[in-house]
Formats: sequence, structure tokens, C-alpha cells
Amino acid sequence: DAGVIQSPRHEVTEMGQEVTLRCKPISGHNSLFWYRQTMMRGLELLIYFNNNVPIDDSGMPEDRFSAKMPNASFSTLKIQPSEPRDSAVYFCASSLRRDPRETQYFGPGTRLLVL
Amino acid sequence: AQSVTQLDSHVSVSEGTPVLLRCNYSSSYSPSLFWYVQHPNKGLQLLLKYTSAATLVKGINGFEAEFKKSETSFHLTKPSAHMSDAAEYFCVVSEAPGRRALTFGSGTRLQVQP
Repeated sequence: DAGVIQSPRHEVTEMGQEVTLRCKPISGHNSLFWYRQTMMRGLELLIYFNNNVPIDDSGMPEDRFSAKMPNASFSTLKIQPSEPRDSAVYFCASSLRRDPRETQYFGPGTRLLVL
Repeated sequence: AQSVTQLDSHVSVSEGTPVLLRCNYSSSYSPSLFWYVQHPNKGLQLLLKYTSAATLVKGINGFEAEFKKSETSFHLTKPSAHMSDAAEYFCVVSEAPGRRALTFGSGTRLQVQP
């Protein structure tokens, strides 16, 4: 299996621009998670989906952030407009089921720099 | 609400000596507990997990952890450190279905000296 795939791996953009991060979960996994990692705040859960439906988006920082999962094999995290404080590494993870005992498999991350 | 505290932000050991990374958790329910490892510029990889079965859990690369409910601890150990173990380690707690997903500790950076 190819594992969780994220693109792009690196993104540099200017403040005010729209940024779209993409994730392909492991085939057959029903739950998908978006995390953000910064030095100041560590790893934070932004949102997670189960069977393509958003279950908990309470970690999404503000309205500038949105996430979609149009089908079982694709999800996007969009930031519009982007700000320098959004600079971070964004991880996508997937698990087989929505069960706290399930292992989450992480992608390699997208390193975002907003100038 | 669930929370997890990693007691050391940095741990330095010599190659061949034991490793101990400490983790305490708080949970209102019977939690599942995980240790993940992150090598530089990489994603996170599961080392081991506890899901209410045996309290001593063995993971990959010689790591193990013991769930101690009375102490609310889930410390990670390895008898002999290897240079390749240098990485950041995260202790993670997860509660019952329907609740918020994983809560990560702040991480412990392990350095292994030659």
C-alpha cells in the first residue's frame, strides 16, 4: 500500500493568497484527520471525517480554514486568505474505523510557509 | 476531558544505555494510549498502543510501554538505545467513540550520544 499521500510536500505563498492542501487516505480507511504542527502549539487536530462526513471541526482555527472530503479517496484543506501565522506543517492521517483504538496512519506532511 | 503530559521535553542518553520517556495521562473514560515517533522532516509512525488488553505493550524497534492505571502513566522504555532512535516521541491518548479524536502530548526529543 502506498500509505497516506499528501501534496504538495512544500508550499511557499504570499499573505492573502489561497492555499489548498490535498490528501489521499489509505484505501479502505473510513476516517480521515487533518492536523497542524507548530513549534509553539505542537500537534493539533483541526478536523476529522468519518465516511466523508465531518464529525468534529472544533479545532479549525477560524473561518479562513475549510476542509472537504468529496469522496472516500480525497480530501482538501483550504486556507483563504492565508496569513503568516498559518505557517506550519499540516499532516493528514487516516484510520480504518472511527474507533479510538484504531491506529492512525500519517502522511509525510505539507510544509507551508506564508510570507 | 482527556489530556496527556510528557514530563521531559528533552532526553539525552548514550548509545547502548536504557531509554525512559515519561508520560502521564488524564481521562474520564477507559482510554487508549499510543506512542508515536517522528523522525526529522518525516510523518508520524506508530510505535505501540494500549487498548485495554495486556498492560505491558511491546512495539517496534525494541520499545515497550507499561500502562499503570493507579499512576495514570504510560512510560516508554527501551533497554539499549541506538543512534537511529534519535527522534521526537509523542504520547497520545484517545477516549471513547464519538468523542474528540487523539490528544497529543507536547513531545520528547530523544538525543542519542555516541
